[in-house]
Amino acid sequence: AQSVTQLGSHVSVSEGALVLLRCNYSSSVPPYLFWYVQYPNQGLQLLLKYTSAATLVKGINGFEAEFKKSETSFHLTKPSAHMSDAAEYFCAVRGVGTGGFKTIFGAGTRLFVKA
Amino acid sequence: GAVVSQHPSWVICKSGTSVKIECRSLDFQATTMFWYRQFPKQSLMLMATSNEGSKATYEQGVEKDKFLINHASLTLSTLTVTSAHPEDSSFYICSAAWDMNTEAFFGQGTRLTVV
Repeated sequence: AQSVTQLGSHVSVSEGALVLLRCNYSSSVPPYLFWYVQYPNQGLQLLLKYTSAATLVKGINGFEAEFKKSETSFHLTKPSAHMSDAAEYFCAVRGVGTGGFKTIFGAGTRLFVKA
Repeated sequence: GAVVSQHPSWVICKSGTSVKIECRSLDFQATTMFWYRQFPKQSLMLMATSNEGSKATYEQGVEKDKFLINHASLTLSTLTVTSAHPEDSSFYICSAAWDMNTEAFFGQGTRLTVV
């Protein structure tokens, strides 16, 4: 069964600093991986996705993530944090084929951005 | 991109009553829909997977008689919370997918408050 682990329930950075949110996955076959952002009292917005093409994935709002099979990781980065990036971020994994294709979410990481 | 719409966005109901939440795929046919539940400051927990025309598959620990899921058409799935109680108050989110090789698209969520 697929699963994801997000390291750090809270991350705090200064405005303009590098954002790094960590995610490790567990899957018996190469999965699809996603990062979503959720603002308070809102639904999910897809930031980016990995679907077995390029290992470095660029998403919206300047975010990107790199799929590293050897480390089973899919960390999310952004070179320079903006105040509007403060939100909850979820890493998610989806299996393919006979593994089922339900999307399973990590516990989430709350990003705080200090002025 | 593909659009999934949930209705209502928020609902308040009295304890003991039932409430129905609709999930519609507006511009594609969804062979599979997923229902999630999110408690405050927590992650999304998958409740069930529904395929058009067949019974839903519930995750372990989810009461199928309490959370009735119907997926009668390729564009509509409904979640009915029966005999709702305050502990059922939560944020419910659906997602829909048309095949196993794409990501699922998420609705904006429904905030249920049982008083």
